[in-house]
Amino acid sequence: AQSVTQLDSQVPVFEEAPVELRCNYSSSVSVYLFWYVQYPNQGLQLLLKYLSGSTLVKGINGFEAEFNKSQTSFHLRKPSVHISDTAEYFCAVMIKAAGNKLTFGGGTRVLVKP
Amino acid sequence: DTAVSQTPKYLVTQMGNDKSIKCEQNLGHDTMYWYKQDSKKFLKIMFSYNNKELIINETVPNRFSPKSPDKAHLNLHINSLELGDSAVYFCASRKEKGHADTQYFGPGTRLTVL
Repeated sequence: AQSVTQLDSQVPVFEEAPVELRCNYSSSVSVYLFWYVQYPNQGLQLLLKYLSGSTLVKGINGFEAEFNKSQTSFHLRKPSVHISDTAEYFCAVMIKAAGNKLTFGGGTRVLVKP
Repeated sequence: DTAVSQTPKYLVTQMGNDKSIKCEQNLGHDTMYWYKQDSKKFLKIMFSYNNKELIINETVPNRFSPKSPDKAHLNLHINSLELGDSAVYFCASRKEKGHADTQYFGPGTRLTVL
């Protein structure tokens, strides 16, 4: 079975500073990787995804993530955050053969301070 | 136009009651899901339907019964509600072919059992 670990439950960061959210996964088969964002009292919105090809993936709102197969990681980064980036961020994996269900990490709350 | 919609947005009820949450998607997708997000923000798959056929059932108590009257709708009926059922329930949908990887989430239904 696959699993996803987000190492930081909360990340405080100052406005315009960079941020990195860590995600590691375990799976015996190839996976697709995703980052979703959940703004307060809202649903989940896809930030970016890795399916194949280039290991550096660019998403919406200036976010990017890098897939590292040897380290089974998919860390999310943004070079300069805004107050509006305050949200919960979820890393997730999908195994195509397993009904395409998403397995989520525990989430990382990003709190951007002025 | 809302792609994936859920009703109601909030649901407060007493223990022992039976309640339903409705989900509709207007994306023409083939597969729909229910996820549960607990008080610690942990997200877990509950069910998945493809063209009205159940394909994932993740050891959810049989008090929970999904119903798919057509492929645009996946409703969740819960019998004999318990305190532990309090959570936010998210519906999601996915296209089976083409960009089959991305799941689109509804805004969530916050269920509070008193």
